[in-house]
Formats: sequence, C-alpha cells, structure tokens
Amino acid sequence: EAQVTQNPRYLITVTGKKLTVTCSQNMNHEYMSWYRQDPGLGLRQIYYSMNVEVTDKGDVPEGYKVSRKEKRNFPLILESPSPNQTSLYFCASYLRASGYTFGSGTRLTVV
Amino acid sequence: AQSVAQPEDQVNVAEGNPLTVKCTYSVSGNPYLFWYVQYPNRGLQFLLKYITGDNLVKGSYGFEAEFNKSQTSFHLKKPSALVSDSALYFCAVRDSEGSSNTGKLIFGQGTTLQVKP
Repeated sequence: EAQVTQNPRYLITVTGKKLTVTCSQNMNHEYMSWYRQDPGLGLRQIYYSMNVEVTDKGDVPEGYKVSRKEKRNFPLILESPSPNQTSLYFCASYLRASGYTFGSGTRLTVV
Repeated sequence: AQSVAQPEDQVNVAEGNPLTVKCTYSVSGNPYLFWYVQYPNRGLQFLLKYITGDNLVKGSYGFEAEFNKSQTSFHLKKPSALVSDSALYFCAVRDSEGSSNTGKLIFGQGTTLQVKP
C-alpha cells in the first residue's frame, strides 16, 4: 500500500530537549515536505525537499532542521524545542502524476 | 503571492439540508485546487481536486465543488448533509509551475462543519 509513515503519532517533551520526527514514504516520490497545522492558520509549510540532498525552507522554518540522505526518508529535527512549536505536524510526499500523500500526523506538545 | 481564503470559521447545517463551505483563491497562473477533510484525531483525507476541464468536480462521500474562474472561487458542496460529515475542511491551491517549489500546497485556514441531527 502506498503510504507516508510518520512516527511518533504523539509526543510530549520538555523545552530544549532535542527530538526527531521521522517520515518515510514507499512511493519513490522525489518531492517531500513538512507542514505544521495550527488553529485558525491552516497548514503552513516548514521545509521541503525536491530530491536527495536538496532541501529548502518553506514559510515557517525557524527552529527546525531537515535532512534528505535517501529518497524515502525525510526527518524533521527540532534541536531545541520551545512551547511555540507545540503543533500538529504532517509529512507529505508528492508526484505530479499521482498527487499528494499525507502522513497521519504527529501531535507534539512542548512543555 | 498565492493565497487561499476560507471566510467562515464554522458552518452549521441541519442533517438533510444542503451544505456549502466557501473558498476563494488568488494565483498568478492557472490554479490547481484541492479540498481535504480532517476528522478528529485523524490525518488529512483527500476529497476532490480541480486541474482542468469541467467546472463541477465530483469527489468522495458525495461531495462536489464548483470552480468559478471569474469569482476565483472553489466552493465545496453537498446536496444533503450527514451528521458524519462533521469535520474540519481545508481548501488548498498548488503553487505555480513557474516557482522553484512546484510541489507546495497553500492551505486556507480551515472551516469546521457542524451537522446537527
């Protein structure tokens, strides 16, 4: 089954403790991206990647890092999480022919 | 700049009545438009899309949307609402082909649909 898998689904952490949210897709898509969803703001793009070793900032990249060492994986890294990064995060992959596939989401709480 | 607006934070409708969730957009070229639905504690589910062709697009769960180029709108509709349609709905537009970020989706702020029995 074609899918985007995010882990973990839920995470509660403390301010300043580095964390990684993993994202993996099995469709061989070149394009992947991360979004955060906040009430009243919709989904906003954090980072995207056009292909292996090619990443770039989206609209709200501050406080986040990503890497794309292989096509299937696109982890989101929070080096020093802060409470304003409490949000619902979605990973997505995209292929022009087949469209977008979203992961199930990761609900992050930073206390 | 590309943008999407959903002017209503919440739409309330009685079960069996028709529903409309509004969306307007602003793009520089031809729009690729999408509707997604999010049920509580669930991810985003694709409902329908407009790329080209017929202005009336039919999608999942009996939903449809009408593309209106002159009004730059893409309203989501359903002839008869169900209580189970209650969810958060997002309209989105894809960034233009001329951009380096050609896979980017720009989302509206979301509209909560409440269908009451």
